Amino acid sequence: AAGVIQSPRHLIKEKRETATLKCYPISRHDTVYWYQQGPGQDPQFLISFYEKMQSDKGSIPDRFSAQQFSDYHSELNMSSLELGDSALYFCASSLAAAGSPLHFGNGTRLTVT
Amino acid sequence: DAKTTQPPSMDCAEGRAANLPCNHSTISGNEYVYWYRQIHSQGPQYIIHGLKNNETNEMASLIITEDRKSSTLILPHATLRDTAVYYCIVRVSSNAGGTSYGKLTFGQGTILTVHP
Repeated sequence: AAGVIQSPRHLIKEKRETATLKCYPISRHDTVYWYQQGPGQDPQFLISFYEKMQSDKGSIPDRFSAQQFSDYHSELNMSSLELGDSALYFCASSLAAAGSPLHFGNGTRLTVT
Repeated sequence: DAKTTQPPSMDCAEGRAANLPCNHSTISGNEYVYWYRQIHSQGPQYIIHGLKNNETNEMASLIITEDRKSSTLILPHATLRDTAVYYCIVRVSSNAGGTSYGKLTFGQGTILTVHP
């Protein structure tokens, strides 16, 4: 079965530019999560969506926004990019059933120059 | 979610069992224990999870103590490809409505190095 698909795999942007990351969850999964992982750090939770509604919010900068669409895919929009936004961005999906695990994609590596 | 404590690093010989401990002494009755691993720069990979009983799948076994305050992940025959950071995470099983969309909170994991 296909896993979580993220695009693009790599993205290079300049400071103050915008970026859009896309996430396609596993079929029938209704919940999507976004994580950011800086160099040498553990993944940090940004935001999640359940049935197209925001379900939780973590340490996501105000410059970032996200949404989940009717087909359950999700997009993370990042504006006014800063050098410190350079990181791996992971998306995960799950079924909203008790105990269902999250399954992660292989991430988008964003480099801001 | 309850906090977990793991040793920062462990070594294991190839072909031997790797036993990774995790302490979660403040776990609540409705919290699952999940194990993930992350191989350099790849997405975290789900391994196994459990609530009360021991669990086994094709990747690993999970042993949870009777008081649920600690658990051990067992990789029965470690290979070089099992070298990774292993995360033990506690997560609420479901909310009041019966659904479960709580996040995973990654803390310091265990760097497992498998040697030839």
